[in-house]
Amino acid sequence: DAKTTQPPSMDCAEGRAANLPCNHSTISGNEYVYWYRQIHSQGPQYIIHGLKNNETNEMASLIITEDRKSSTLILPHATLRDTAVYYCIVSQAGNQFYFGTGTSLTVIP
Amino acid sequence: GAVVSQHPSRVICKSGTSVKIECRSLDFQATTMFWYRQFPKKSLMLMATSNEGSKATYEQGVEKDKFLINHASLTLSTLTVTSAHPEDSSFYICSASGRSYEQYFGPGTRLTVT
Repeated sequence: DAKTTQPPSMDCAEGRAANLPCNHSTISGNEYVYWYRQIHSQGPQYIIHGLKNNETNEMASLIITEDRKSSTLILPHATLRDTAVYYCIVSQAGNQFYFGTGTSLTVIP
Repeated sequence: GAVVSQHPSRVICKSGTSVKIECRSLDFQATTMFWYRQFPKKSLMLMATSNEGSKATYEQGVEKDKFLINHASLTLSTLTVTSAHPEDSSFYICSASGRSYEQYFGPGTRLTVT
């Protein structure tokens, strides 16, 4: 079963930062936090992952709280192409993923 | 990121026939591959975990004799839906995991059973 909870939907104005929260209060010490997104009728796309420290790449930033019970994915300048369902997943490296319901992000012009 | 392909992208078959879906990792060796299915407006559901050269591990409620998985090489896994029925119509997605910590997903296969 999924170990994460996310809001079902969010809106964000184009050009603004999109902050997507995720709760994972039962995360284990060796589990990573992964973020993927899925655009309609496509396979999920990897965004970013982290263990303890905050992470940043060309797509997004991942902020993990010190107790690791929650995290936030930040898309710094949302575009219309960022409209998708975003999934937060916790898993040990290389292990299977159990997807939750995700957050449907709509970027508004 | 790494590339995972699936073939076919969509298939229509008659009830009672079998369908094979291929999943390939194109630029890395996948020690583990995973199969998911997704019904409309629902999340991905893990079906099975497949390690190269060994039998797949199926999730509870997934019939191993109906969904045959073969992972014969480090770059290819196949899912065969045997004796397909309309309720098997779904979006089937594979993913592959190599030495890195990410899973890379294929584009999915849309199966319609008539």
